[in-house]
Amino acid sequence: QVQLVESGGGVVQPGRSLRLSCAASGFTFNRYVMNWVRQAPGKGLEWVTLISFDGTDKYYAASVKGRFTVSRDNSKNTLYLQMNSLRSEDTAFYYCARRRLDAFDLWGQGTLVTVSS
Amino acid sequence: SSELTQDPAVSVALGQTVKITCRGDSLRTYYASWYQQKPGQAPIVVIYDRNNRPSGIPDRFSASSSGNTASLTITGAQAEDEAAYYCNSRDGSGNHLVFGGGTSLTVL
Repeated sequence: QVQLVESGGGVVQPGRSLRLSCAASGFTFNRYVMNWVRQAPGKGLEWVTLISFDGTDKYYAASVKGRFTVSRDNSKNTLYLQMNSLRSEDTAFYYCARRRLDAFDLWGQGTLVTVSS
Repeated sequence: SSELTQDPAVSVALGQTVKITCRGDSLRTYYASWYQQKPGQAPIVVIYDRNNRPSGIPDRFSASSSGNTASLTITGAQAEDEAAYYCNSRDGSGNHLVFGGGTSLTVL
């Protein structure tokens, strides 16, 4: 079954760190650019970061650059998002999404990150 | 500019046609893709690669583009089309991605 499953969300205090994971299955993971997209409760979608097929190229939204790091382990078919120095405005559902033909063609179900003291 | 602008809300009578627009400078260079999101669910792509529909997306969904404006048209809107719709494209650099603010569609 072709799917993406995120994990690692939870409640974290401001300034602390959290690492999200996204397990891919049912397709050849190392052939795809992967992304993280987030959505604050009741708000719109915000692209966060993308990583190339082999992990050599990474791009970040200005709102997270310098605090978040994307990585992937193609041997484990897993995408990661290391989030440091978390702020209240980082509270959101975090989705991993596959990029194909310049579109997000496959999404996970999302994992909720709540930054609160 | 890296922004994509959408009208916050649009309504359409059942069975009528509605156009949802997305404006941004980068759309002069890059195509938009379109996403439907219903409450409590992850988004799904409804249009990609200029005007292509994934399998399972009804042919009442179509897209067009002119200048700095991309449009999603639903011809004969159904009750199940009530959702939020987001456009997405690259920014001017081509390396970053950006979403429009979303349009909430109500089917009356």
